[in-house]
Amino acid sequence: DSGVTQTPKHLITATGQRVTLRCSPRSGDLSVYWYQQSLDQGLQFLIQYYNGEERAKGNILERFSAQQFPDLHSELNLSSLELGDSALYFCASSVGSGVNSPLHFGNGTRLTVT
Amino acid sequence: GDSVTQMEGPVTLSEEAFLTINCTYTATGYPSLFWYVQYPGEGLQLLLKATKADDKGSNKGFEATYRKETTSFHLEKGSVQVSDSAVYFCALGGGSEKLVFGKGTKLTVNP
Repeated sequence: DSGVTQTPKHLITATGQRVTLRCSPRSGDLSVYWYQQSLDQGLQFLIQYYNGEERAKGNILERFSAQQFPDLHSELNLSSLELGDSALYFCASSVGSGVNSPLHFGNGTRLTVT
Repeated sequence: GDSVTQMEGPVTLSEEAFLTINCTYTATGYPSLFWYVQYPGEGLQLLLKATKADDKGSNKGFEATYRKETTSFHLEKGSVQVSDSAVYFCALGGGSEKLVFGKGTKLTVNP
């Protein structure tokens, strides 16, 4: 058990809809990362927050947004969903913000857009 | 930009066979290198890491050596077990705050 909790485990929704994915980081970790894993693209970095502030941005679409709250949990909002957004979305947390802080991954949220 | 290329799978081995999964990278500066493992139905876990050239990371019988001259970080294990069946990801941590992952190599070990 990594200590990172992601909810829900599975989400099925229709095109055009909006969903929210939630992540609770490991106790004591200040950084939260979001990754998208799909068969063709592999593991793609979306965004990172550190102690409530956005720290790094990757290949995150404008239809997607995220935030980290004062209690350090994070939410990833996906809107105007398209079939191609179907993927496994992982949250990871780490103590620090640099790459040498090991990442601890949750078990992911599997999103299916129909 | 920074990138990681790892051998495509899937890789299928018999128990006690020798494992090598190749990983090469492109980066500016002096990145840190990592191997993560993803067991079925789970998130990724850090397997081992190396932060500078010639460092050897090791864990659970797996090893990888940071080779700057060949820009490689190949994963090896002398004798694999059925429980090693998983997807293995090579990753690079460069000047930015994020890790860049390879596409993953699926390993299946048969009894």
